[in-house]
Amino acid sequence: KAGVTQTPRYLIKTRGQQVTLSCSPISGHRSVSWYQQTPGQGLQFLFEYFSETQRNKGNFPGRFSGRQFSNSRSEMNVSTLELGDSALYLCASSLDGQGEAFFGQGTRLTVV
Amino acid sequence: EDQVTQSPEALRLQEGESSSLNCSYTVSGLRGLFWYRQDPGKGPEFLFTLYSAGEEKEKERLKATLTKKESFLHITAPKPEDSATYLCAVQAWGNTPLVFGKGTRLSVIA
Repeated sequence: KAGVTQTPRYLIKTRGQQVTLSCSPISGHRSVSWYQQTPGQGLQFLFEYFSETQRNKGNFPGRFSGRQFSNSRSEMNVSTLELGDSALYLCASSLDGQGEAFFGQGTRLTVV
Repeated sequence: EDQVTQSPEALRLQEGESSSLNCSYTVSGLRGLFWYRQDPGKGPEFLFTLYSAGEEKEKERLKATLTKKESFLHITAPKPEDSATYLCAVQAWGNTPLVFGKGTRLSVIA
């Protein structure tokens, strides 16, 4: 059974640019959550999508957005990148948002 | 607000030296407590779910326990390959996200 796939694995962007990250969940999983991980703050919740609807949202500015497609694949977008957006972005999938969540390998974003 | 505090932040053990990691939590109504292992540069790997006080789960050298206020991850006779960051997370009832602690970075020295 394939796991959670995130692409790309690494990205280097310049301040002010925008970026789109992709996540393919485990087959049959309908909930996809996104997290930002930095050394100082740990794992911080960005948002959760379930059946193409945003169900939960963390405390991040509106520059961070996401969407989910009918096949449960999800994308997140960060506009007007700032140096502080450099982080490991993790996607997690679960059957319905309740219980065990399984993570992808993450996308390492570096903003220069 | 749901909160998770893990201690210690870092732990260095000799191979074979057993120890425990602590996860203290406050949550409005606990649906589940989760333990993950994370290797550098990789995503967290699911280890255990605990649902109610008194519950225990085991996997190889790891055993997780749960009380009404905290969880422990006991590591028996650790090996160097157990070196990783161990993360604890809680989920409240309802459609709520996981709330993570900052993790314990474990180093096991041969």
